[in-house]
Amino acid sequence: SQTIHQWPATLVQPVGSPLSLECTVEGTSNPNLYWYRQAAGRGLQLLFYSVGIGQISSEVPQNLSASRPQDRQFILSSKKLLLSDSGFYLCAWSPGGRETQYFGPGTRLLVL
Amino acid sequence: QKEVEQDPGPLSVPEGAIVSLNCTYSNSAFQYFMWYRQYSRKGPELLMYTYSSGNKEDGRFTAQVDKSSKYISLFIRDSQPSDSATYLCAPLGGKLIFGQGTELSVKP
Repeated sequence: SQTIHQWPATLVQPVGSPLSLECTVEGTSNPNLYWYRQAAGRGLQLLFYSVGIGQISSEVPQNLSASRPQDRQFILSSKKLLLSDSGFYLCAWSPGGRETQYFGPGTRLLVL
Repeated sequence: QKEVEQDPGPLSVPEGAIVSLNCTYSNSAFQYFMWYRQYSRKGPELLMYTYSSGNKEDGRFTAQVDKSSKYISLFIRDSQPSDSATYLCAPLGGKLIFGQGTELSVKP
């Protein structure tokens, strides 16, 4: 069966510091991968998605970037965090060509 | 107008009640409709999905789509305290477009 991992689970970072969140998927190959952000009391906002290694599409211009160095690894980064980057970051995967997405446990980021 | 609108609640019901959760959407081109359940501080989990109009049943859960009125519903029969969570509707329009989520609390 397929599983999706995210780490860290919780992160507290000062403003201006760098960020690296990691997501890995097991039990499948060639997945589509997604990064979402969920602000308190709000829906999920799609940040990036990837259909293959090195292929990244950005949905919202912002302070963040994404990379996919391996087939089942997706990384969310920032060079300098802003207060507004605080939130719950979720990674998701879907089988290529399928609509259903499956989410990881999330990373709660607090920027102070 | 938002693409997907969902009453944020919170909605509080007694155990055993029938719950109706609803969304409206604006784009008539949407064909797939997902429902996710999200427990506090966890990632969303896929509950059900339907294609086009009609009903789909899975145990105590029934998803209903009315494309003529652009209205999506999720019904929960015999609600349990373990159903307490936030429920997110998400039509698929090139990408999943999530509603704000409705927070449901089922009291024993």
